Amino acid sequence: DAKTTQPPSMDCAEGRAANLPCNHSTISGNEYVYWYRQIHSQGPQYIIHGLKNNETNEMASLIITEDRKSSTLILPHATLRDTAVYYCIARRFTGTASKLTFGTGTRLQVTL
Amino acid sequence: DVKVTQSSRYLVKRTGEKVFLECVQDMDHENMFWYRQDPGLGLRLIYFSYDVKMKEKGDIPEGYSVSREKKERFSLILESASTNQTSMYLCASSWDSPGIQYFGAGTRLSVL
Repeated sequence: DAKTTQPPSMDCAEGRAANLPCNHSTISGNEYVYWYRQIHSQGPQYIIHGLKNNETNEMASLIITEDRKSSTLILPHATLRDTAVYYCIARRFTGTASKLTFGTGTRLQVTL
Repeated sequence: DVKVTQSSRYLVKRTGEKVFLECVQDMDHENMFWYRQDPGLGLRLIYFSYDVKMKEKGDIPEGYSVSREKKERFSLILESASTNQTSMYLCASSWDSPGIQYFGAGTRLSVL
């Protein structure tokens, strides 16, 4: 799996958009970008994934650059409940079951 | 919604005890996983299972065993609990896509 790099922490005001960046410059053509988050004392929660097109679901939007070397997770209207550690992972979509490797992620603090 | 249920949120055991952690998923997923999460070490895979009665060792299987007698249930067993097994234990399940795993809320185990 390609290595990903994220800033250790970010702040966002409630109601504003939170833009969380991820660098994955060595990503290969068949690796998707996945985002998870982990709210304190809970298990990680899958948010969204994409290959090269931008993706949107009810939780977030994912913007992947054209060269696929970086991506941004966007929470359009952050709330206090979005305070969590956000993880970006690059890996193949199919294949045998194996572990997910979570890095250190970005700790997002949403404030009033 | 996918639901992965872990039998206990908090558990306190004594050294030498045999400990059972249970995980049940309701989405007919083939794959199930046990991770442990420790500060500064991230998530580490203990064991996973890709089918009933099938199991594979993860990165840190020593001191643990697993059982999968039914598709929906995956049990983690600490044969003789030790203090260094004090940790947060997370169960996850997935379909064939290895990148999308659904996690339970976790069991925080303290071994005294």
